Amino acid sequence: QLQLQESGPRLVKPSETLSLTCTVSGGSISNSGYYWAWIRQPPGKGLEWIGNIYYSGTTYYNPSLKSRVTISVDTSKNQFSLKLTSVTAADTAVYYCARQRFYYDSSGMRKIGDFDLWGQGTMVTVSS
Amino acid sequence: QSALTQPPSASGSPGQSVTISCSGTSGDLGGYNYVSWYQQHPGKAPKLMIYEVIKRPSGVPDRFSGSKSGNTASLTVSGLQAEDEADYYCSSYAGSNNVLFGGGTKLTVL
Repeated sequence: QLQLQESGPRLVKPSETLSLTCTVSGGSISNSGYYWAWIRQPPGKGLEWIGNIYYSGTTYYNPSLKSRVTISVDTSKNQFSLKLTSVTAADTAVYYCARQRFYYDSSGMRKIGDFDLWGQGTMVTVSS
Repeated sequence: QSALTQPPSASGSPGQSVTISCSGTSGDLGGYNYVSWYQQHPGKAPKLMIYEVIKRPSGVPDRFSGSKSGNTASLTVSGLQAEDEADYYCSSYAGSNNVLFGGGTKLTVL
């Protein structure tokens, strides 16, 4: 059974870079049927999609975070990673990695869709 | 782009039905049939309950159903049970390889 597990520092200083890794076990990250995504949830607030990556390296990012986000993949380690630069207290959140499905519309264009498997999440606090 | 709009709270008694709405625009929710719903219990990761507007993943009770009309999607929980008390989030493809979530609805079983 496929599982996802986030790892990385739980405390990051303001203006520094938040770095997290998601390790996929029980299956291959190179499965062509999925994207691999990062989603976050500030304390007491809703979910926010950060972005995703395909095993080939294609990435899509939330426009509101695009200037600060980089998602990368290491297929040899079955991992994908998130880097978020210039963090502030507003970036304090539980960060989840997830498997994201995609679909083809009637014109054959790929559309990213739902998140069918999630990691347990990791709380990252931005504070000096 | 703004988040999808959900009511902050909803409630119902055991056995009753409750419907949670999720509103967007023609550029996101209204323009695509890639709406999904997630259930989140306190301290837990979200769980996929509905995808592609109306489809249920294996293992999700048929008490959960989804629908969409225009720019508004809905999640209906029939035969409410105590374990249905949780936060519920909608999500939709929003064009240009972007995804939006709703702000979440806290469902209380009275």
